Amino acid sequence: DADVTQTPRNRITKTGKRIMLECSQTKGHDRMYWYRQDPGLGLRLIYYSFDVKDINKGEISDGYSVSRQAQAKFSLSLESAIPNQTALYFCATSDRLVGLAGAYTGELFFGEGSRLTVL
Amino acid sequence: DQQVKQNSPSLSVQEGRISILNCDYTNSMFDYFLWYKKYPAEGPTFLISISSIKDKNEDGRFTVFLNKSAKHLSLHIVPSQPGDSAVYFCAASYLSEKLVFGKGTKLTVNP
Repeated sequence: DADVTQTPRNRITKTGKRIMLECSQTKGHDRMYWYRQDPGLGLRLIYYSFDVKDINKGEISDGYSVSRQAQAKFSLSLESAIPNQTALYFCATSDRLVGLAGAYTGELFFGEGSRLTVL
Repeated sequence: DQQVKQNSPSLSVQEGRISILNCDYTNSMFDYFLWYKKYPAEGPTFLISISSIKDKNEDGRFTVFLNKSAKHLSLHIVPSQPGDSAVYFCAASYLSEKLVFGKGTKLTVNP
């Protein structure tokens, strides 16, 4: 089983519909992230959460909201989907970025992605 | 304003040759740099990283070089293999904060 699981993997919806993308992880990490990938634009951060009570906007949060239901669960919602939100969405997790002895441990572990198409 | 730039959208090399992927950054406060590799229909996976206190880090066929004065890093793959064909993302962070990614470079290794 994947350590970071995203559902659904594919979704086609219509403009104005509410969509939720869910992410769950078994890595025991505190930090969770939602990224969006568009062709030629790389990975852009939508929201991130460093623990259950912490939610932070990324560089492109407009039109999105998130909920951190538990350490292992982080969901992304599009309240009223629009066509330019058509993209590949990735959830990721990381440990605290500096571990014991100061060693960097902050590599992100990504899910397999959720492809969303808004018509 | 893009803080991490990968100016080459694509790169094509012959199997067995060296692949050099480049990345430039604008924020001199970045203290950690990473490379991620992404195959189609999969999430990105971590490849190699380097701290700002170093100028080189090696892991098998992969070497990352950091030139802080030029705000430039590069990933060398020697020898390149067809299985290395993927999109490579450069990323940077500051004080253990979130990662900032470049737009990616698509590497094609031809047999």
